[in-house]
Amino acid sequence: AQKVTQAQTEISVVEKEDVTLDCVYETRDTTYYLFWYKQPPSGELVFLIRRNSFDEQNEISGRYSWNFQKSTSSFNFTITASQVVDSAVYFCALRETSGSRLTFGEGTQLTVNP
Amino acid sequence: DAGITQSPRHKVTETGTPVTLRCHQTENHRYMYWYRQDPGHGLRLIHYSYGVKDTDKGEVSDGYSVSRSKTEDFLLTLESATSSQTSVYFCAISVGPGNTEAFFGQGTRLTVV
Repeated sequence: AQKVTQAQTEISVVEKEDVTLDCVYETRDTTYYLFWYKQPPSGELVFLIRRNSFDEQNEISGRYSWNFQKSTSSFNFTITASQVVDSAVYFCALRETSGSRLTFGEGTQLTVNP
Repeated sequence: DAGITQSPRHKVTETGTPVTLRCHQTENHRYMYWYRQDPGHGLRLIHYSYGVKDTDKGEVSDGYSVSRSKTEDFLLTLESATSSQTSVYFCAISVGPGNTEAFFGQGTRLTVV
């Protein structure tokens, strides 16, 4: 069965610090998809990124970057020079190609203090 | 904007009453999902649908039923609401190549008293 673990329940940083959110997953499939979502205090879920299991190239989008390592089953998310607006709950999720459902981690509450 | 609308956005209901939540999409996507979000659990799948009248159970389906009589609408019914069903409910659709990307509605906050 698929499983996603986000071991960090809460992280608090000061503005401009870099912060990494960890995500570890378990799956028996050789092909799968990994996701990150952001949930700001307003409550909506915002899609950030999708990564295919056959593409281990890291990705950067502005201040956001993602490090995908199949060898350690991890898909970590780094925010560089954090800002107060980055304060949110961040969810990592996994989707196997053998099924059609997303499995979520429990989320990491990130608080960026001014 | 993936064109997903949930209604109602907030509801308070009494224990034992039936409740129906509606998810409406405007873009004809095949896959639709209902999740619930609770502290410490992330989002957990209740039911999903892969077409009109085609539905399947998720990991927390007890006490819930769904119906999809039209592509655009996916209804979630709590047959007899209990306090443990107090939660935030999210509807989602799958889009993109292989239906791999999921976009979510704004959520419905349900309180069972």
